[in-house]
Amino acid sequence: DIQMTQSPSSLSASVGDRVTITCRASQSISDYLNWYQQRPGKAPKVLIYAASTLQSGVPSRFSGSGSGTDFTLTISSLQPEDFATYYCQQSYSNPLTFGPGTKVDIK
Amino acid sequence: QLQLQETGSGLVKPSQTLSLTCVVSGGSISSAGYSWSWVRQPPGKDLEWIGYIFHSGRIYYNPSLKSRVTISADTSKNQFSLSLSSLTAADTAVYYCASIKSLNAYNFFDSWGQGALVTVSS
Repeated sequence: DIQMTQSPSSLSASVGDRVTITCRASQSISDYLNWYQQRPGKAPKVLIYAASTLQSGVPSRFSGSGSGTDFTLTISSLQPEDFATYYCQQSYSNPLTFGPGTKVDIK
Repeated sequence: QLQLQETGSGLVKPSQTLSLTCVVSGGSISSAGYSWSWVRQPPGKDLEWIGYIFHSGRIYYNPSLKSRVTISADTSKNQFSLSLSSLTAADTAVYYCASIKSLNAYNFFDSWGQGALVTVSS
């Protein structure tokens, strides 16, 4: 199985801050990496697929980069609705696996 | 826009079997380019992929659950189902159904149900 790790596990930030979350795969997954946002009590929502492709309807302040084993999700200017937990997920091989999540809360 | 809705048992006794159904609207589960999946999330914990069924009927399960899981689809009702047997407290979780969209060989969870909390308790 491909193991996914994320750092940090949580962070505190202010509205307007630039936020970067890192995801690492235990082996190369090329660019088969997706990012999701999950608000409390809600289902996850896809933000980025194929490492850097913004899903339709997702604000452009979200961006993704990386290839191989190391990936980043960047929020260029944090908005109030962005306080949530963010998960990476690899789609390179079965079993599909998720990272443990990064919780972004208000400083 | 696809809409998914889970229905099924919320409280199940240990050793029994969980049964959930996901009703899909806004699209057909027979459509090419989609597969249909179950994902669970224990309270306060990580997301775990359970398995998925392709529009063709091909099925893949997470090896960690494979001996206890069955996923099936009913195209006439445009729904797919999950059965998980030999339940223990560790299976207590929110169970989500989700569509997996395939775009140029890239796959991602596209639409999700609202989630169904299943509690395993006597």
